This record gives sequence, C-alpha cells and structure tokens, in this order.
Amino acid sequence: GAGVSQSPSNKVTEKGKDVELRCDPISGHTALYWYRQRLGQGLEFLIYFQGNSAPDKSGLPSDRFSAERTGESVSTLTIQRTQQEDSAVYLCASSLSAGLAGEQFFGPGTRLTVL
Amino acid sequence: DQQVKQNSPSLSVQEGRISILNCDYTNSMFDYFLWYKKYPAEGPTFLISISSIKDKNEDGRFTVFLNKSAKHLSLHIVPSQPGDSAVYFCAATPGGFTSGTYKYIFGTGTRLKVLA
Repeated sequence: GAGVSQSPSNKVTEKGKDVELRCDPISGHTALYWYRQRLGQGLEFLIYFQGNSAPDKSGLPSDRFSAERTGESVSTLTIQRTQQEDSAVYLCASSLSAGLAGEQFFGPGTRLTVL
Repeated sequence: DQQVKQNSPSLSVQEGRISILNCDYTNSMFDYFLWYKKYPAEGPTFLISISSIKDKNEDGRFTVFLNKSAKHLSLHIVPSQPGDSAVYFCAATPGGFTSGTYKYIFGTGTRLKVLA
C-alpha cells in the first residue's frame, strides 16, 4: 500500500483489559510517531521511533502505555489495564527522516473505546 | 496547558468566498508552523507550512500568514470549494535542528464547511 495503515480501525474493550494497536508505516520511512486525539482535543504526541535509536517516550501518559517497533517496519502500541480515559483515536505517522517538519504522513487511526 | 489554540471550533463559508482559519500559540520557542487537513475516517494530511523567517507562504489557493509578535497564524483559502470541507489543524514545532522538532504540538481543530 502507498500510505500508512493501522489496525484495527475500531476497538471496543472493557475497562481493565489490555489492547494492542498496530501501525504499518510507509516503506522506507525511518521515523514513526504515535499520537492520540481525545474528544474535543488536539493531537497529543505519545512516542517517536527513529531507526535503531532509543525511542522518545516522553509523551506516554503512564506506564500502562508502551510501544515497540521492529527495525524500520511495523510498530505496536500496547495499553495495559485500559481505563475509560484511554478512549481516543490513536494515530500513527511516519516520515522519511526526523526533523523535517511537514513530512509526517498519517494513517487513518484506530478508534479505541473503553467501556 | 494548550500551547496551540484554535478558538473557533467551526466555520461556515459560501463557495467562492474566502475562508480564514485562525491559530494562536503561546510558546515563543515555536518557529515552524504547519496546517493539516483531516477528512472523516482519514488521517490528517499536510497542507502548508511556514517558517518563522517568513510572514507569508502561498501555495495555490492556500496562504498561511504568520504574525510572530502576536503569536498568531492564519490560513486563508481563496476561493473556497465544497471539497475543502474538513477539519483543519494547526501545529507548531521548534523546527530547524532543535531537539524535539518532530514533536508537533497540535491545536484542537476547526471544522470548515463550505456551502455550495
């Protein structure tokens, strides 16, 4: 595919369950980002991966959130023991390299609903 | 603490007229600004950007203006078309080679509706 893809598109879960969200970046993009958009709010930076460098996790809201990326390919965002306030659209983006503003390409997002 | 603010949640404009979307920021370290457009069920797509060394950047029907002293930027769409109906986000970053330049700070978005 030509763009960033994310799965699932929608996820409904019960409070306390773990969820895993997947992102497939554009082939060849070394940088990958996760954002969250809660209702009525802007996109909130969560985590950033660049090649084999240590990820920037400074945006993760709690230790229930973690993310992994295998090389320069797929990334998974895991939320453990989900809470209702985790309900949001989780967006993944990728870019050819970091620091070149304007080149982040976004996926369609995963809408997470925690009941 | 909302560092990037879009105070108008929605805007309706007649087709062919000008759409003006506004954005204010508080962090004086921001020196690169972007506008993204988002259609329902799709991710945001990059529209136009501006560096703080400029006060205007134009791309076809889209022009972004930056007023650094007022910490204000605006996006002008002329003429507006029904296909422009979407949510528009402004974003800011320290830019250049500053550490953390990839951490875009987004506003809450303005929903533009262009009426045919």
